[in-house]
Amino acid sequence: DTGVSQDPRHKITKRGQNVTFRCDPISEHNRLYWYRQTLGQGPEFLTYFQNEAQLEKSRLLSDRFSAERPKGSFSTLEIQRTEQGDSAMYLCASSTARSTGRETQYFGPGTRLLVL
Amino acid sequence: AQKVTQAQTEISVVEKEDVTLDCVYETRDTTYYLFWYKQPPSGELVFLIRRNSFDEQNEISGRYSWNFQKSTSSFNFTITASQVVDSAVYFCALSEANTGNQFYFGTGTSLTVIP
Repeated sequence: DTGVSQDPRHKITKRGQNVTFRCDPISEHNRLYWYRQTLGQGPEFLTYFQNEAQLEKSRLLSDRFSAERPKGSFSTLEIQRTEQGDSAMYLCASSTARSTGRETQYFGPGTRLLVL
Repeated sequence: AQKVTQAQTEISVVEKEDVTLDCVYETRDTTYYLFWYKQPPSGELVFLIRRNSFDEQNEISGRYSWNFQKSTSSFNFTITASQVVDSAVYFCALSEANTGNQFYFGTGTSLTVIP
């Protein structure tokens, strides 16, 4: 039983460079979420997909950020022209839609980004 | 406004002591869901429990227990006979039925269990 996987686990980049992260959700999960977590804080929601459709986006997701889930399976999060303030842990979670109630989100190990 | 408040930033206990982690939430929805996650030093958030707003029964799972009180908007988590492996950051989270699918997390409580 594989959980949510993320790649890479760590990324160091220079300010102004573009970076892309990948998330592979649990195979039968149709919902996928991206969160950002800075030191000493809880995860903050960025965006959410149901299958390939991006249904929600946070105000935190500036125009330098873009997320895709082209085939409704894995997802990518790209940050263009990185800034030092982008340094954080980027977490991916997945869940399966329920007919009633709110499903549990299962999280991956995260990608830790450091922008120099 | 912060929807989930975890007032305890850091707690240290000696092994075998009991410890309670507090969580206070704020919502106007009548239907909502509460969660606790554990984040060990490795960084991966591990799901512990889910509770919906219509189920106020307290739950016990081994050394873990949860006390849900709607009257005080609290969902506290108690670890009995703490162990060193319990050392981690614990997050409480809220999801509201009428405001999308995102989770609102508290700022976490860092628990250190001293051997």
